[in-house]
Amino acid sequence: GAVVSQHPSWVICKSGTSVKIECRSLDFQATTMFWYRQFPKQSLMLMATSNEGSKATYEQGVEKDKFLINHASLTLSTLTVTSAHPEDSSFYICSARTGTGREKLFFGSGTQLSVL
Amino acid sequence: QKEVEQNSGPLSVPEGAIASLNCTYSDRGSQSFFWYRQYSGKSPELIMFIYSNGDKEDGRFTAQLNKASQYVSLLIRDSQPSDSATYLCAVNLNKLSFGAGTTVTVRA
Repeated sequence: GAVVSQHPSWVICKSGTSVKIECRSLDFQATTMFWYRQFPKQSLMLMATSNEGSKATYEQGVEKDKFLINHASLTLSTLTVTSAHPEDSSFYICSARTGTGREKLFFGSGTQLSVL
Repeated sequence: QKEVEQNSGPLSVPEGAIASLNCTYSDRGSQSFFWYRQYSGKSPELIMFIYSNGDKEDGRFTAQLNKASQYVSLLIRDSQPSDSATYLCAVNLNKLSFGAGTTVTVRA
């Protein structure tokens, strides 16, 4: 399947700092990428839809000023968690949608964020 | 009604048996259906996709789709301990809707 690279795999930061997570589609162009959050033993929660060259679409209840999404190219989307707090500690996963023929969704490896 | 519903499990099967997972969806216009496998602490991995009514087989996995009844299922034949994971059903693609997942445990 298509390859989606997500970096970093894990990050520990102090409360109040900002953390940037990168998501890259390595072998295809992704006009649309998605960002999810997953708490332990819970299902994936869609946070936002990232469209190349335009503003992201956020799901209800997700603060756009706290979770900044930038999709500047067809292969890269970034999520910045600003002024992180311990309650932001979670597993963040990006995904990218292929655009050739029957579309499919492939996931990055995820980023485990721990805010102290 | 949730867009996609799955039995949360856990579903426990002995090694070598068939594991059967079911998923129902609410949007009758849904066209694309996917099964993802997620190991603990890892991100989901696409294992099957199906677009047309009927069965689709890939190795030990078989996906079954019935659009009239609005359900899609996944069969895992000859279950192995390495199949122990959470299986996520997903529907559509413009805004992919996931089920909560079914946890499968294969007993050696």
